[in-house]
Amino acid sequence: DAMVIQNPRYQVTQFGKPVTLSCSQTLNHNVMYWYQQKSSQAPKLLFHYYDKDFNNEADTPDNFQSRRPNTSFCFLDIRSPGLGDAAMYLCATSSALWADYQPQHFGDGTRLSIL
Amino acid sequence: EDQVTQSPEALRLQEGESSSLNCSYTVSGLRGLFWYRQDPGKGPEFLFTLYSAGEEKEKERLKATLTKKESFLHITAPKPEDSATYLCAVRRDNNAGNMLTFGGGTRLMVKP
Repeated sequence: DAMVIQNPRYQVTQFGKPVTLSCSQTLNHNVMYWYQQKSSQAPKLLFHYYDKDFNNEADTPDNFQSRRPNTSFCFLDIRSPGLGDAAMYLCATSSALWADYQPQHFGDGTRLSIL
Repeated sequence: EDQVTQSPEALRLQEGESSSLNCSYTVSGLRGLFWYRQDPGKGPEFLFTLYSAGEEKEKERLKATLTKKESFLHITAPKPEDSATYLCAVRRDNNAGNMLTFGGGTRLMVKP
């Protein structure tokens, strides 16, 4: 089945140690998104890619970066994780950026813990 | 500014006890309201898209309805496997493309 796959499902890193989370998709969608979701809160959009065009949300900290080497893969890099960055990180895709009513399809997330 | 408010925050039901979840939204030009189901430790699973006031969509025990100010997710004769957090989202009213504003979710617990 076509899907959005996130690896790893659980990631533990040390305070200040860089970490990379990965997302792949077999839907061939143009748009990929990264969200941060803390416990019992709504998903918060960090940034998105439309093809290779990167778009940062205004309030996304500089500590968070992203790479999209090809249509299928997207990475989230956290350069110096702090305790406040412990969260579930969700990757999502959609088929079009400008078409109305297109749902986003989510992966199962990576739960990041900071020691 | 777009706003999405879901109520109640949590809802406990007995198996078979029907109820409704509410999603109130403020957006000047709605271009899609989306319902998602999220199980603990998993990503949101897409349920429905609603396009215009008066529209209804159904899937098994779930029915989503839409008015100009709110959407309801009706759950008929729920089962324990319907326990999850239900998220509502609207497409943002700007020219940035397919960006969503999520509500805080309703955590549904169905007891046997």
